[in-house]
Amino acid sequence: EIVLTQSPTTMAASPGEKVTLNCLASSSVSYMNWYQQKSGASPKLWIYGTSNLASGVPNRFSGSGSGTSYSLTISSMEAEDVATYYCLQLSSYPLTFGSGTKLEIK
Amino acid sequence: QVQLKESGPGLVQPSQTLSLTCTVSGLSLTSNSVSWIRQPPGKGLEWMGVIWSNGGTDYNSAIKSRLSISRDTSKSQVFLKMNSLQTEDTAMYFCALTGYFDYWGQGVMVTVSS
Repeated sequence: EIVLTQSPTTMAASPGEKVTLNCLASSSVSYMNWYQQKSGASPKLWIYGTSNLASGVPNRFSGSGSGTSYSLTISSMEAEDVATYYCLQLSSYPLTFGSGTKLEIK
Repeated sequence: QVQLKESGPGLVQPSQTLSLTCTVSGLSLTSNSVSWIRQPPGKGLEWMGVIWSNGGTDYNSAIKSRLSISRDTSKSQVFLKMNSLQTEDTAMYFCALTGYFDYWGQGVMVTVSS
């Protein structure tokens, strides 16, 4: 089973601040998906295939990485970005999610 | 418009069997695969298993002995059955379109308690 370790667990950013969330895989994966989950809601596909933004995702978001190291970056934090972000690997079964990064605003 | 909706009992007694239904609209189950994912309160997401478009299944080994996923393509429904429930199985249960996991149901909260 591939274990995904997300860091940080929780972070707070000021409006306009650049934010980077990390996802480290225990074995190499072909690509990574990211999901945004707001309180009380279902997860939403946010980034797929490592770097492709899902429909409706603001272009201040970007994704990058390869092998065992992936990241999601917000170029300029906004209040609406407050949520928990999860990475998901689909390269091998069982599929596994990271434990999430809770992003708050200062 | 693709939609998934979970349904099932909100409360299950310990040691009993959980039965959930995912009703899908806007697509055919013979061309699409559906996964079940769960999320305990305040915790992260756990992939439970998938039923493929060809009817085959794959399960998370951690719960494989207790889990069964099936479907009725004529009703566009996917079923989850999990036996020997314990309090640790208390969670929100989601079904989602497998592939990109770009469509999710709203989830159904299941509490295991006597």
